[in-house]
Amino acid sequence: GDSVTQMEGPVTLSEEAFLTINCTYTATGYPSLFWYVQYPGEGLQLLLKATKADDKGSNKGFEATYRKETTSFHLEKGSVQVSDSAVYFCALSSTGGFKTIFGAGTRLFVKA
Amino acid sequence: DVKVTQSSRYLVKRTGEKVFLECVQDMDHENMFWYRQDPGLGLRLIYFSYDVKMKEKGDIPEGYSVSREKKERFSLILESASTNQTSMYLCASNPSQGAGNTIYFGEGSWLTVV
Repeated sequence: GDSVTQMEGPVTLSEEAFLTINCTYTATGYPSLFWYVQYPGEGLQLLLKATKADDKGSNKGFEATYRKETTSFHLEKGSVQVSDSAVYFCALSSTGGFKTIFGAGTRLFVKA
Repeated sequence: DVKVTQSSRYLVKRTGEKVFLECVQDMDHENMFWYRQDPGLGLRLIYFSYDVKMKEKGDIPEGYSVSREKKERFSLILESASTNQTSMYLCASNPSQGAGNTIYFGEGSWLTVV
């Protein structure tokens, strides 16, 4: 079945450091890919998404590119801030399906 | 903005109690979901519903039931709460079947069963 694997955390960075959180997926067909973020004490919210191969999703300085050849959707940000401290979830949704599959989440701590 | 509202943020219940978690969305979405979130396990789907009075089991339905009498409301029921159901419960909705549709989440309900 479909699945999402993302790097384990926690990831601890200093402010202004470069961030990469790896995500790979297994799916039949042509899924859409998502990154969701969960700030402390809150539910998840969409950070960015890409619906077809080679699309790049971007928001708030974060980017991720849908790479079909490597089945990956890695999240990157050039310069993180303390306010980016959160849990990040990679997810996929397959064509014709109701279900969205989530990765286990990666916790990011950013130190001032 | 889409709003998904979970009626209770924090609950403490006793083992064996019947527990109701209520969720309302205000954007006329067809699909609604209940997930539970546990450290290291990510989000696991309990039940979902794609229409009024329709429900489908997710990955971990045991010990839970759901009710969807109106389009905007989706309730999660723990018939007899147990300590292993202590968790964060997230309600969510999205507009229709389709791969590119964003899911909108409520803020979560923290349930502790003692």
